[in-house]
Amino acid sequence: EPEVTQTPSHQVTQMGQEVILRCVPISNHLYFYWYRQILGQKVEFLVSFYNNEISEKSEIFDDQFSVERPDGSNFTLKIRSTKLEDSAMYFCASSEAKRLEGGDTQYFGPGTRLTVL
Amino acid sequence: KQEVTQIPAALSVPEGENLVLNCSFTDSAIYNLQWFRQDPGKGLTSLLLIQSSQREQTSGRLNASLDKSSGRSTLYIAASQPGDSATYLCAVLRTDSWGKLQFGAGTQVVVTP
Repeated sequence: EPEVTQTPSHQVTQMGQEVILRCVPISNHLYFYWYRQILGQKVEFLVSFYNNEISEKSEIFDDQFSVERPDGSNFTLKIRSTKLEDSAMYFCASSEAKRLEGGDTQYFGPGTRLTVL
Repeated sequence: KQEVTQIPAALSVPEGENLVLNCSFTDSAIYNLQWFRQDPGKGLTSLLLIQSSQREQTSGRLNASLDKSSGRSTLYIAASQPGDSATYLCAVLRTDSWGKLQFGAGTQVVVTP
């Protein structure tokens, strides 16, 4: 069964460093998302992406964050200058199509645990 | 502002008992509601999606109902098994959103043999 994959599974970085989290969405999916979950808290939406553009972003997704689809298979989240409070599990998700019957189910990857020291 | 609440936060049941998990949301202008399962330290597995026009959705031992007007959804898991032990999350998609799921905090379920 097709699945969303993410690399690395765990990333440790120093405060102020740049990190890039990578995701390979399900191959025929057109919509891509990033969420994060700080330990003990709710899963929070960061950004949605369609047709090489950001469709929607949350107030968390400030200028320190950016997303890119560099090729036909990868979808990346970059954090330019990490802060301690960026430590969280980051989930990538994808969906086949929005607003179609059953086609907007979002499928999540296993996550990347980001630890900022 | 949409608030999604799941009560109780934790639940323990003996094997074989039916599970009833609750999700409530404050804004009824939703497009759909999705139930997920999360195992410790793992990603989210989609269980069921209910469109706002539907009242119920079923998959195997799982059945989810939706009452949009009262802002509630219930996930029923029949004949629970120890393998059902996990955290169950609900998430709503508002009608004015391009895919932003808003999650509840989850119900942590333990099924004891």
